[in-house]
Amino acid sequence: DTAVSQTPKYLVTQMGNDKSIKCEQNLGHDTMYWYKQDSKKFLKIMFSYNNKELIINETVPNRFSPKSPDKAHLNLHINSLELGDSAVYFCASTQGRAGNTIYFGEGSWLTVV
Amino acid sequence: AQSVTQPDIHITVSEGASLELRCNYSYGATPYLFWYVQSPGQGLQLLLKYFSGDTLVQGIKGFEAEFKRSQSSFNLRKPSVHWSDAAEYFCAVGADAGNMLTFGGGTRLMVKP
Repeated sequence: DTAVSQTPKYLVTQMGNDKSIKCEQNLGHDTMYWYKQDSKKFLKIMFSYNNKELIINETVPNRFSPKSPDKAHLNLHINSLELGDSAVYFCASTQGRAGNTIYFGEGSWLTVV
Repeated sequence: AQSVTQPDIHITVSEGASLELRCNYSYGATPYLFWYVQSPGQGLQLLLKYFSGDTLVQGIKGFEAEFKRSQSSFNLRKPSVHWSDAAEYFCAVGADAGNMLTFGGGTRLMVKP
């Protein structure tokens, strides 16, 4: 069973469209994240949720809106997609205490054309 | 704010040779340090982590890393590299607040036959 699963794995869409990426974890963790990996492989946190509450919101455009319907799910909705949004988006989860292992999904490859 | 530097963007080693990947961090308190590996088209897999205690940490796939506080380093080593080790390696430091990871820029490892 996949611990952190995200869908879709690949997404090609046009500029201006709205798209969502879904994430689910079956590890019973209370904290979930979205990370963005750019074309240079640099990984940066976008959001963190603990027990469905937003606790980290890095400098991310308002077009990105995370939603956590329950502890096991953290979805990412992106409005008005731009070319620069092309990246790999990783969902991750952990039991929210510093030093605990963070488990990553396999990534969602978003290409905006 | 914490930061991580991986000075080597690319490293090429021969199969069977030893490997050391460098990682330097900046963090005001005792750090939680991690090494992750990313194979092409895949997500991030945890190799090992340092939380406290013994400064030499053993991980999966024959990897180890040594935490040196005086040098602010957490270098990853493997005595004999296999072709399947070719991948991107990321060092990360974890912060107390939100258990957020800050990643280095990654080191791409290539293995020559």
